[in-house]
Amino acid sequence: KAGVTQTPRYLIKTRGQQVTLSCSPISGHRSVSWYQQTPGQGLQFLFEYFSETQRNKGNFPGRFSGRQFSNSRSEMNVSTLELGDSALYLCASSLELGVEAFFGQGTRLTVV
Amino acid sequence: SQQGEEDPQALSIQEGENATMNCSYKTSINNLQWYRQNSGRGLVHLILIRSNEREKHSGRLRVTLDTSKKSSSLLITASRAADTASYFCATLQGAQKLVFGQGTRLTINP
Repeated sequence: KAGVTQTPRYLIKTRGQQVTLSCSPISGHRSVSWYQQTPGQGLQFLFEYFSETQRNKGNFPGRFSGRQFSNSRSEMNVSTLELGDSALYLCASSLELGVEAFFGQGTRLTVV
Repeated sequence: SQQGEEDPQALSIQEGENATMNCSYKTSINNLQWYRQNSGRGLVHLILIRSNEREKHSGRLRVTLDTSKKSSSLLITASRAADTASYFCATLQGAQKLVFGQGTRLTINP
């Protein structure tokens, strides 16, 4: 079966702009989580969606938001980009939280 | 703070040797998972061990769990160059987020 697909793979944005990242989970998976990975902070939890509802959110400013559609596809949006938002953004899908999660290859965001 | 903390942060060994990395966590868990990440790519699930299990094997991987010490270890036997990667433990925090440790960067030297 197809894996988790994240688009785009690479993105370069300017400070102050906004960006939308997309994640298509494995068919049948209703839980989608997003993570930000940086060399200094490691893997930081952003938020988790299940059946279109955000169940939990990490300690990120309100500039970071997301949503999940009825087909379980998810998007995350970052507004007013800052240099510190440069990171690898990873999406993971699973049948439910706490069981095996399947990760996409990530979106490498560079803010200049 | 991270739920899981891996130790050591970096490990370099010769091909064929065994690699052991450890993970400590803070709260009670239902299970603990280990993942591998090749440079700049997504994470790949390796193994899940439940809280009522003490040891689990998968191929060259052996995971142990000590809930009394809130710790787990991952042993990779007969290491290969392809095992070079970062390894993370993950636990469910508050039942609604999977939290990862900082990871152990493993380098296998030929």
